[in-house]
Amino acid sequence: DQQVKQNSPSLSVQEGRISILNCDYTNSMFDYFLWYKKYPAEGPTFLISISSIKDKNEDGRFTVFLNKSAKHLSLHIVPSQPGDSAVYFCAAQISSGSARQLTFGSGTQLTVLP
Amino acid sequence: ETGVTQTPRHLVMGMTNKKSLKCEQHLGHNAMYWYKQSAKKPLELMFVYSLEERVENNSVPSRFSPECPNSSHLFLHLHTLQPEDSALYLCASSLGQGATDTQYFGPGTRLTVL
Repeated sequence: DQQVKQNSPSLSVQEGRISILNCDYTNSMFDYFLWYKKYPAEGPTFLISISSIKDKNEDGRFTVFLNKSAKHLSLHIVPSQPGDSAVYFCAAQISSGSARQLTFGSGTQLTVLP
Repeated sequence: ETGVTQTPRHLVMGMTNKKSLKCEQHLGHNAMYWYKQSAKKPLELMFVYSLEERVENNSVPSRFSPECPNSSHLFLHLHTLQPEDSALYLCASSLGQGATDTQYFGPGTRLTVL
């Protein structure tokens, strides 16, 4: 049973427009959420994160929104650029204890069309 | 070298071989992780070493054996693997403490078992 779900395997967006990637989770114990970006044949690169005490975190063109009651988070990229084309993974963590364990979604392939 | 490095980047081995994957982190972190990414599946946590504590995913077969001699180095020893073990193996590290503990990944080792 997947605790972190990304229901859209792919998304295509025109350059300059907004990209919205979605993620749902089921475990209410998750208290820290992260987005990673991955190019083929490379490891995931950390993009942005949000703690459960917040509902929004912004870093340049990237904004993550967290809706705890709906157990939903989203990543907004605006404006989208062709270099943003990659697979985006959402991940969630329970921060208690000494060994943090990330649970990943299955990823969304974003394609930004020039 | 900066960040998290992994060697080798590519490995082809037969089912009777013994090989090791190496990971090194230059971030001053205290926790290190092994993940497996198979095609069309989410990243799956295999092992965690944090402050000398080891946590493992019970579904990982015993033909995978981790070793963490110090907080900067992590190995994954492989023996008598199966073709279904072919995957991208990713190492990550983090501070291992705090409510917003972020994991940073290496580039991965692409393993092919013949």
